[in-house]
Amino acid sequence: EVQLVESGGGLVQPGGSLRLSCAASGFTFSTYWMTWVRQAPGKGLEWVANIKQDGSDKYYVDSVRGRFTISRDNAKNSLYLQMRSLRAEDTAVYYCVFSASGSYLIWDYWGQGTLVTVSS
Amino acid sequence: EIVMTQSPATLSVSPGERATLSCRASQSVNSNLAWYQQKPGQAPRLLIYGASTRATGIPARFSGSGSGTEFTLTISSLQSEDFAVYYCQQYNNWPLTFGGGIKVEIK
Repeated sequence: EVQLVESGGGLVQPGGSLRLSCAASGFTFSTYWMTWVRQAPGKGLEWVANIKQDGSDKYYVDSVRGRFTISRDNAKNSLYLQMRSLRAEDTAVYYCVFSASGSYLIWDYWGQGTLVTVSS
Repeated sequence: EIVMTQSPATLSVSPGERATLSCRASQSVNSNLAWYQQKPGQAPRLLIYGASTRATGIPARFSGSGSGTEFTLTISSLQSEDFAVYYCQQYNNWPLTFGGGIKVEIK
């Protein structure tokens, strides 16, 4: 059974940092692009970043580029999102996602999400 | 950035009725359009990709159509479990973008 389990969320002050993790199991992690998608409370979905199988290609939404870094450890079946210079508008549930079928740009597997709250 | 606009924001439908949800892109996305369903407290679920292909395990009452800039998700006969929020997403251009969502509620 495919499982994606996010962790690392919490309350952080504006300007602070946080590192999210996603533990993957039930599939061959190293053969799939992985992605982070977020959802502000009561709002819609926003793609944040994705990373190629070997980590050689990474893409970011403009609003986080230069502040967030996506990375992965295939030996540990884990995906990460290092978040720096956090802003109130980064407050959201962050989902770890991937596609097991077809394009890596759409996602049929989602974790349960981890909540990041940026507030003083 | 391609802006995805969904309408209406809320759709009130009686169980058993047909629901038609619209999604418009600010420029052509060809057929690179997906639909997701999200229920309260849950992660989204992929319903449709390639504008019209149902994802694995999605019931046949869900169908997608359109190409270019105009897309439609149709639920042929609403079941109680279909009352949720529906999002469209384009994956033709970076950044990947979603519509604002349509809430389908019980009439």
